[in-house]
Amino acid sequence: AQSVTQLDSQVPVFEEAPVELRCNYSSSVSVYLFWYVQYPNQGLQLLLKYLSGSTLVKGINGFEAEFNKSQTSFHLRKPSVHISDTAEYFCAVIRAGGTSYGKLTFGQGTILTVHP
Amino acid sequence: NAGVTQTPKFRVLKTGQSMTLLCAQDMNHEYMYWYRQDPGMGLRLIHYSVGEGTTAKGEVPDGYNVSRLKKQNFLLGLESAAPSQTSVYFCASSWLAGGPSETQYFGPGTRLLVL
Repeated sequence: AQSVTQLDSQVPVFEEAPVELRCNYSSSVSVYLFWYVQYPNQGLQLLLKYLSGSTLVKGINGFEAEFNKSQTSFHLRKPSVHISDTAEYFCAVIRAGGTSYGKLTFGQGTILTVHP
Repeated sequence: NAGVTQTPKFRVLKTGQSMTLLCAQDMNHEYMYWYRQDPGMGLRLIHYSVGEGTTAKGEVPDGYNVSRLKKQNFLLGLESAAPSQTSVYFCASSWLAGGPSETQYFGPGTRLLVL
């Protein structure tokens, strides 16, 4: 089984500052990793995903994440945030290959609040 | 395309009442999922379906039933609602072809309050 830990439940930051949202995972098998974002009163949408290859993954809205296999981490970063980035961010994993039927395991979520 | 839609958006139930949440997708996706979202717990999978006429249990299936009579619809039923089922419910769908790497597309959610 897989598990995901998001190390910060809330991250306040000022506009135009950099931000890092931390995600660690645990799995005995290879996994794919995802970051989803949930804007207020909306469903989740995909920011980016790591499947294989380059460990630095770029997503929408200027976000990027780095996969670190030795530290079992997949931290999300943005060099300069905007007010519109205020949302809840979820890290998720899924077993690579086999018959996982798309069953994602989500972290607890990190609420990013961007202040003017 | 409307994507994934959910009905209703908000509902208040009394303990013991029943209700059905409807999820519809117009993307011809094979896989569909029901999650519940609770503060500090992320999203947890209730039930899922890998195709029309098939359903399977997820992480927290107790107290819920599902049906997928048509490929585009996935229904979540609560036979006898309990206050512990107060939550936000999300439906999602994805393609079969890409396997586990496929993106899941989420609906806007249903907020359920059980008194």
